[in-house]
Amino acid sequence: EAAVTQSPRSKVAVTGGKVTLSCHQTNNHDYMYWYRQDTGHGLRLIHYSYVADSTEKGDIPDGYKASRPSQENFSLILELASLSQTAVYFCASSDWGFNQDTQYFGPGTRLLVL
Amino acid sequence: SQLAEENPWALSVHEGESVTVNCSYKTSITALQWYRQKSGEGPAQLILIRSNEREKRNGRLRATLDTSSQSSSLSITATRCEDTAVYFCATEPGTGGYKVVFGSGTRLLVSP
Repeated sequence: EAAVTQSPRSKVAVTGGKVTLSCHQTNNHDYMYWYRQDTGHGLRLIHYSYVADSTEKGDIPDGYKASRPSQENFSLILELASLSQTAVYFCASSDWGFNQDTQYFGPGTRLLVL
Repeated sequence: SQLAEENPWALSVHEGESVTVNCSYKTSITALQWYRQKSGEGPAQLILIRSNEREKRNGRLRATLDTSSQSSSLSITATRCEDTAVYFCATEPGTGGYKVVFGSGTRLLVSP
């Protein structure tokens, strides 16, 4: 079974502060993704990466940066956290892109910005 | 309006019954995926069905895809209490760069 872990599992941040969410996968997958989920809604893609040291913008990249320092690790950075970024964040990995392969999701990080 | 949408918004069945969730989408696609998300967990992919496929099965699950009507369905037979979850469809449009669209989900409750 593929394994994707996220840290922290929950976080409270202050408006204007910097937040870093981390994701680690042990699947040897090339693709990694960051999604956000708002209560009662589906997931929206923020950033993704298909190779180390490279990231791509997803559907809603504004206010977020991503970093992929190695194949196993993918971080999401909120330089200036805002109230609207309160959500649950999910990381996922896959061997190939969306239309070819299974995405394996982590357990999520619940972020509350006050 | 959403680019991918499941219906109904919620369903309630008893164990052993069959249930179907529908998905409609608004763009041409290369593939469609069905996910299940249990409370407090990340989504888990159930079925990936490509645009040139019409049906895909995975145990008690059966997905269909009709690209002419831009719709898909996910059927679960012999439901169990552990099938209680939110079910999402997700699509990757075939044009316009990499873009993944999730619906807001159908909430399924399976009671004993």
